[in-house]
Amino acid sequence: DAKTTQPPSMDCAEGRAANLPCNHSTISGNEYVYWYRQIHSQGPQYIIHGLKNNETNEMASLIITEDRKSSTLILPHATLRDTAVYYCIVRGYQTGANNLFFGTGTRLTVIP
Amino acid sequence: DAGVIQSPRHEVTEMGQEVTLRCKPISGHNSLFWYRQTMMRGLELLIYFNNNVPIDDSGMPEDRFSAKMPNASFSTLKIQPSEPRDSAVYFCASSLTGGTFREQYFGPGTRLTVT
Repeated sequence: DAKTTQPPSMDCAEGRAANLPCNHSTISGNEYVYWYRQIHSQGPQYIIHGLKNNETNEMASLIITEDRKSSTLILPHATLRDTAVYYCIVRGYQTGANNLFFGTGTRLTVIP
Repeated sequence: DAGVIQSPRHEVTEMGQEVTLRCKPISGHNSLFWYRQTMMRGLELLIYFNNNVPIDDSGMPEDRFSAKMPNASFSTLKIQPSEPRDSAVYFCASSLTGGTFREQYFGPGTRLTVT
């Protein structure tokens, strides 16, 4: 699985967009980019995933560069409840294997 | 939907005692995962099952740890004997299997303290 690099921490003002970067320069063609987040004392929560096209759902948008070596998770209007650790995970699809490997993530603090 | 259920939520035990953590996956999910989270090592996958069969247990730290999934609705993670360094939050997650992606749903975790 490709290694990911994320900044250890970021701050964002409440109501503003939070842009969380992830570098995955060794990603291979069949590997997806997944984002999960973990709010304090809770289990991780799935946010979004993508292969090469930009994706959007009710929680966030995922922008993947054309060369797929990096991506950005965008929370369009951050709230205090978005304060959490955000994990960027790169994982290939293999039949019968759906395990994820979490790194250290980015601790996002949304400031009032 | 009740989500993934874990019990107990908190466990405090003395070194050398046996500890059993329990997990009930979401009904219909056929993959189950056990993770451990500590400040030092972050979130680590210990073992996962597909259709009740252990697929990869390479993350299990040592022989003191064992996991079973006797049926599709129940799994246990046992530590015998427990040691202080086993203190951590243990998460169980479940998902469907197959296709290109299956979201994992995590339980609330069991906070284990071994004194």
